[in-house]
Amino acid sequence: DGGITQSPKYLFRKEGQNVTLSCEQNLNHDAMYWYRQDPGQGLRLIYYSQIVNDFQKGDIAEGYSVSREKKESFPLTVTSAQKNPTAFYLCASSKQMGQGLNQPQHFGDGTRLSIL
Amino acid sequence: AQSVTQLGSHVSVSEGALVLLRCNYSSSVPPYLFWYVQYPNQGLQLLLKYTTGATLVKGINGFEAEFKKSETSFHLTKPSAHMSDAAEYFCAVSSNSGNTPLVFGKGTRLSVIA
Repeated sequence: DGGITQSPKYLFRKEGQNVTLSCEQNLNHDAMYWYRQDPGQGLRLIYYSQIVNDFQKGDIAEGYSVSREKKESFPLTVTSAQKNPTAFYLCASSKQMGQGLNQPQHFGDGTRLSIL
Repeated sequence: AQSVTQLGSHVSVSEGALVLLRCNYSSSVPPYLFWYVQYPNQGLQLLLKYTTGATLVKGINGFEAEFKKSETSFHLTKPSAHMSDAAEYFCAVSSNSGNTPLVFGKGTRLSVIA
């Protein structure tokens, strides 16, 4: 079955370390997204990518970086510049984005990041 | 710019009672509207969507929502709540023009009391 795989499910980071969250999809979707979820704040968009080798900042991109070298993969790096990284991170994908073809986004099961 | 307001961060209902989760949106162009459900420590799952056509939309698990343009609302309902409906629900809006991601509301946590 097609879907989105996020790994690991739980991740711990020491102060000053960068960590990378994995997101892989086999849905042949063009667009991929990263969201951060904190209690009571809903989903906030970090980065999104509409096509390979291209990505855009979302609402809270500071302290994060991404790459999109392959259609299937959209890893998120939480850098040491992100002062409050403890959160639940969700990756999503959609067939396309915009122009009357807004497809509902499919979500992975998330990665919970905690600071040691 | 588009936005979504979900009234009530927490709603509690008795098992068998009506479920009503409220969503109001703001959009300068015809919207596409979505409801998602999230169970603990999981991702979001699409419940239903409105794009064009019939304003009463039926989704999975017995949920439905009605698009009311005059009220800029897209409230989610279910006639009879089950214990398994306890989860967090998110309303989202997007545009049928332009190239922008979905905009999500802050979510409503539904509790079902036996």
